[in-house]
Amino acid sequence: AQKVTQAQTEISVVEKEDVTLDCVYETRDTTYYLFWYKQPPSGELVFLIRRNSFDEQNEISGRYSWNFQKSTSSFNFTITASQVVDSAVYFCALSEALGGYQKVTFGTGTKLQVIP
Amino acid sequence: EPEVTQTPSHQVTQMGQEVILRCVPISNHLYFYWYRQILGQKVEFLVSFYNNEISEKSEIFDDQFSVERPDGSNFTLKIRSTKLEDSAMYFCASKSYSSYNEQFFGPGTRLTVL
Repeated sequence: AQKVTQAQTEISVVEKEDVTLDCVYETRDTTYYLFWYKQPPSGELVFLIRRNSFDEQNEISGRYSWNFQKSTSSFNFTITASQVVDSAVYFCALSEALGGYQKVTFGTGTKLQVIP
Repeated sequence: EPEVTQTPSHQVTQMGQEVILRCVPISNHLYFYWYRQILGQKVEFLVSFYNNEISEKSEIFDDQFSVERPDGSNFTLKIRSTKLEDSAMYFCASKSYSSYNEQFFGPGTRLTVL
């Protein structure tokens, strides 16, 4: 069974601070995908990143960076120089990779509030 | 850029009524999904659909729920007799065969059962 744990329920930071959102996952599969989604107050799910289990390279996209460590089953997300527009709920998610129709299992989300 | 669309954006219904939530997946996609998010909680998988049949469903997806792809473009979720606890945001998603498991999510339908 797949499981995603986001231990941080809510985080508040002051604008321009860096913040890291933690994600720990469990799966029996050797091949899988990890995702991060942003859910702003308007409610839609905004795709941020996908990472497959064979690619442990860290990734940076602007102010966003992701640290994937297979040894600790973690896929953490860092926002550098946070901005008020980063305020949202962030979900980490996991999906099996083999076959066509695997479901996505979401974590419980971390609510990030960036204070001006 | 192609996207998944969902209608309506917000549906209010009385307990016991039937509702149909509609989704138009991305046109060349083959796999379709419904997820549910109760307010303040995580997004939960309901059902996946491929080749005109359900491929997997969760415990939440009981006999009150059904899915259909009636005309090759729409993908619907029907709740036969709504309960108060069905109030949630419902997300549709679709995926192509080769999209490396990236499911494209629609904007969601907020269902309120009174």
